[in-house]
Amino acid sequence: NAGVTQTPKFQVLKTGQSMTLQCAQDMNHEYMSWYRQDPGMGLRLIHYSVGAGITDQGEVPNGYNVSRSTTEDFPLRLLSAAPSQTSVYFCASSYRGSLAYEQYFGPGTRLTVT
Amino acid sequence: AQKVTQAQTEISVVEKEDVTLDCVYETRDTTYYLFWYKQPPSGELVFLIRRNSFDEQNEISGRYSWNFQKSTSSFNFTITASQVVDSAVYFCALSEARNTDKLIFGTGTRLQVFP
Repeated sequence: NAGVTQTPKFQVLKTGQSMTLQCAQDMNHEYMSWYRQDPGMGLRLIHYSVGAGITDQGEVPNGYNVSRSTTEDFPLRLLSAAPSQTSVYFCASSYRGSLAYEQYFGPGTRLTVT
Repeated sequence: AQKVTQAQTEISVVEKEDVTLDCVYETRDTTYYLFWYKQPPSGELVFLIRRNSFDEQNEISGRYSWNFQKSTSSFNFTITASQVVDSAVYFCALSEARNTDKLIFGTGTRLQVFP
């Protein structure tokens, strides 16, 4: 299994540009999520999905869109990038159930918006 | 509201010292889950442990041990005989039973172990 994969690893955008961060998992996990990591703030949940066709907002959803058309993929879209979106982005996946299962994280995407 | 506090921003120790990373949480739920993750300098996040609120037994895994105390809402992590490879940022996180899909992270503690 490749686990959780993310592309690209690094990206530089200009203010106002749009882009999509890709995330895929091959573990048949129902749950997928996106976090951003900023210095001194830990990881904050942006959006999450509990299955294909179902998404919901996390703690910091503004400026980001997501969709989940398949179990495997969960792309994160920045519609109009802003310098405040400079961050490291992590995608994660896990099983779902009555228990809280550990989340498996991708390697991260380091995004810089100038 | 749920919250995780890791008051220690950075800790430095010399190899072979024992070190404890503190984690204090807030939740209104009676059923919840606590996690520790490690983020080495390479940047990936590595799962270390999950503990549910009904299991207050301490856990030991090699040089790692975890002390869960509901009375003080703490879930502390101790590394015994630290090694340089333990240098990383460590995150404590909380998930509530009423919404296990949301994982709330603390701000992390950076541990530096010097030879």
